[in-house]
Amino acid sequence: AQSVTQLGSHVSVSEGALVLLRCNYSSSVPPYLFWYVQYPNQGLQLLLKYTSAATLVKGINGFEAEFKKSETSFHLTKPSAHMSDAAEYFCAVSVRGSQGNLIFGKGTKLSVKP
Amino acid sequence: EAGVAQSPRYKIIEKRQSVAFWCNPISGHATLYWYQQILGQGPKLLIQFQNNGVVDDSQLPKDRFSAERLKGVDSTLKIQPAKLEDSAVYLCASSPGTGIAGDRGYTFGSGTRLTVV
Repeated sequence: AQSVTQLGSHVSVSEGALVLLRCNYSSSVPPYLFWYVQYPNQGLQLLLKYTSAATLVKGINGFEAEFKKSETSFHLTKPSAHMSDAAEYFCAVSVRGSQGNLIFGKGTKLSVKP
Repeated sequence: EAGVAQSPRYKIIEKRQSVAFWCNPISGHATLYWYQQILGQGPKLLIQFQNNGVVDDSQLPKDRFSAERLKGVDSTLKIQPAKLEDSAVYLCASSPGTGIAGDRGYTFGSGTRLTVV
């Protein structure tokens, strides 16, 4: 069975500081991994995805994530936080051949202080 | 391109009442998903349709939840009777096919927030 663990339900950073949101996955087969962002009262928007190509994945809004098989991790980073990055972030896993179903972590709420 | 449309945006009902949510996917998208997002948790898949057939409903509480996708386009999700623990945001998503999740235009709607009192 596949699962995702997001460490830290709430992360607070200052504007301009590094953003690091942690995600570890469990999967018995090579996974596809995703990061989604959710703004208040909105649906989920795809930030980036790993589908077995390059292990360093660049997404929208300056975010990137690195797939590390040895650590079963897929942490999300952004060098410099902006106020508009304040939102909830979800890591998700999908198994190849699973018909596209996503299994989500519990989410990490990012706050950005001025 | 229009996104995934859901209605209503908000709904408040008393326990034991029934409620229905509607989803209109992106035109041409064959696959439609309903997710339940309880406060403080990530979304959880309830049911997946491919055209008008059910692909996966293993996590749908079938004693009270039902869903249909008539003519392979719009979909409705119904709860009858509702319980307090059904309070959540119900998200609809659609994609062109059954390929990699998140790929090829996998798009979420804004959701319906249900409060059961």
